[in-house]
Amino acid sequence: NFMLTQPHSVSESPGKTVTISCTGSSGSIASNYVQWYQQRPGSAPTTVIYEDNQRPSGVPDRFSGSIDSSSNSASLTISGLKTEDEADYYCQSYDSSNQGVFGGGTKLTVL
Amino acid sequence: QVQLVESGGGVVQPGRSLRLSCAASGFTFSSYGMHWVRQAPGKGLEWVAVISYDGSNKYYADSVKGRFTISRDNSKNTLYLQMNSLRAEDTAVYYCASPPAWGQGTMVTVSS
Repeated sequence: NFMLTQPHSVSESPGKTVTISCTGSSGSIASNYVQWYQQRPGSAPTTVIYEDNQRPSGVPDRFSGSIDSSSNSASLTISGLKTEDEADYYCQSYDSSNQGVFGGGTKLTVL
Repeated sequence: QVQLVESGGGVVQPGRSLRLSCAASGFTFSSYGMHWVRQAPGKGLEWVAVISYDGSNKYYADSVKGRFTISRDNSKNTLYLQMNSLRAEDTAVYYCASPPAWGQGTMVTVSS
């Protein structure tokens, strides 16, 4: 079964840049779009990146997404970190059977 | 603005059924695929099912296949999830989504 693996947690200081990885277990992660979702405690998820690197309106350009086929991974990069960016982040894509797949989530701490 | 509003959650006994609804507004509902995603208490997000814009294609997570049915009524701008043979492990907040849009979720508790 296709799986997406994320680091359990990352931490960085305000104003710095952090990158969260999402590695596919098999096949090519570039075969299907990758989305990234932010979830703050007690709230519903929101989309910060869709279709690999597209930002929804209202999401600041401090958020960017990319695909690295050589490592079969996707990345979410957040620059100019703010305390409000502290949240759980999930990557999501699809397997060859068109089933959706989520990564396990990464807890971002901004301290 | 885009809005997705789920309803139909509640407490149900194991083995019983429940139907969730998701009312969509602010976009052309009939042009987009729709998803159901769930989150068990204290756990991560789990994809449940997806339906194509016209309802012709449906895909399910292995954990719900054969028990849950996703459907849509484009004339009513509404997405549904019929959940049968519910189990304790189906307890979760259920979200409808059409990325980038998400609803606020509805809680389903399966307990005797």
